[in-house]
Amino acid sequence: AQRVTQPEKLLSVFKGAPVELKCNYSYSGSPELFWYVQYSRQRLQLLLRHISRESIKGFTADLNKGETSFHLKKPFAQEEDSAMYYCALASGGYQKVTFGTGTKLQVIP
Amino acid sequence: GAVVSQHPSWVICKSGTSVKIECRSLDFQATTMFWYRQFPKQSLMLMATSNEGSKATYEQGVEKDKFLINHASLTLSTLTVTSAHPEDSSFYICSARNPAANHNEKLFFGSGTQLSVL
Repeated sequence: AQRVTQPEKLLSVFKGAPVELKCNYSYSGSPELFWYVQYSRQRLQLLLRHISRESIKGFTADLNKGETSFHLKKPFAQEEDSAMYYCALASGGYQKVTFGTGTKLQVIP
Repeated sequence: GAVVSQHPSWVICKSGTSVKIECRSLDFQATTMFWYRQFPKQSLMLMATSNEGSKATYEQGVEKDKFLINHASLTLSTLTVTSAHPEDSSFYICSARNPAANHNEKLFFGSGTQLSVL
C-alpha cells in the first residue's frame, strides 16, 4: 500500500521567512512524487515533480529515499504563496495517485 | 496546456435522486481518469480509477453500486451518484491522465463539482 503523510494542516509564516512543507511517503517500489498547489477557488495544478528537479516559483523539493521524504522548500515566502499544498505519490505509471492530507500555507504580510 | 472540463460545477438535489457528473478531456485522449472525493479541510480521497473500455477499479470502502463510473470514450468519464443521501454531499474532483504528455505533467484536474444533497 502507498501512503503520503503531511503532518501539518496549517503553516503560518511571515513574508520573507523561509518555508518548509513536510511530506513523508510509504511505498515499496520506486515512487514518483509531486507537489500540487490549489489557490483559492482554483483547480489543483502541478507545482513540481521530483524527476524534473526544477525550481518553480522559487520552490524546490528533494527526494530523500533514506528518510522517505519529499519536503517542499522556499527560502523567502511571498504573500501570493498562500494556498493549499498537496504532496502526491504516483505508482505504476500513474495508474494510482495518492494524495496527502494537504497543508494550508498562510503567508502573513 | 491540456484542459479537463468537469460539469456541473455545483449541483443541489433531493435525497433519493441520482446525479451525474461529467469529466471531459478537451484536447487529449485520456486512457485513464481518476475520481476523487474531498471533504472540507481534508485531503483528496481516491474513489476509483476509470480506464476507457473497461470496468472501473474502486478503492476499498467505496460502494460500486452507489458510485457508478462509466468511461465510454477516450475523452469522457462520468460518475453517477445513485440514490444520493445527505452524507454523499461533498466535493468531487476528476483528473485525467494524458499518456502523450511530457514527463513534467501527465495528470490534469477538473475544477470539481460541489454536490449538496438535501
